[in-house]
Amino acid sequence: AQSVTQPDIHITVSEGASLELRCNYSYGATPYLFWYVQSPGQGLQLLLKYFSGDTLVQGIKGFEAEFKRSQSSFNLRKPSVHWSDAAEYFCAVGNNNDMRFGAGTRLTVKP
Amino acid sequence: GAVVSQHPSRVICKSGTSVKIECRSLDFQATTMFWYRQFPKQSLMLMATSNEGSKATYEQGVEKDKFLINHASLTLSTLTVTSAHPEDSSFYICSVLAGSTDTQYFGPGTRLTVL
Repeated sequence: AQSVTQPDIHITVSEGASLELRCNYSYGATPYLFWYVQSPGQGLQLLLKYFSGDTLVQGIKGFEAEFKRSQSSFNLRKPSVHWSDAAEYFCAVGNNNDMRFGAGTRLTVKP
Repeated sequence: GAVVSQHPSRVICKSGTSVKIECRSLDFQATTMFWYRQFPKQSLMLMATSNEGSKATYEQGVEKDKFLINHASLTLSTLTVTSAHPEDSSFYICSVLAGSTDTQYFGPGTRLTVL
């Protein structure tokens, strides 16, 4: 069965610092991988996705993620965090009809 | 990405009443939509897959008679919470499957509070 693990429940970084949010998955085949961001009381916005090809994926808002098959990971990175990046981040794995979400990582940005 | 709307954004109802939540795909036709619920500070849990013109497919443990889903057109799916109870209070989010990109696009969510 497929599953997603986000080891960090809450991360705090200073504005301007770099960010890495971890995501590990378990999946029987080549996965489709996604990162979504959710602001309080809002729906989810797609940041980026990986289906195949180049393992380094560029997304919106300056985010990128790298698929590492050997580590079953799909970590999200941003070189310089902005205060507006404070939100909940969800990693997801799956296909059209069966998408599984991680528990989420809440990002706090210190001034 | 696709634009998805939900209505209402927030609803408060009395225990025992029914509430209907609409999910609309605004810029393309969606054969498949999904309904999720999210408890505070938790992840999304898939409730059901809504297919246009056919019966929804419910996840294990989700009562189909309590959470009625209708997907009568390619742009609209509705979720009706029947005989709502306080434990049904939650954040309900729909998503639309963009088949051409194999990606789900999410609505803004509906906050349901049952008194």
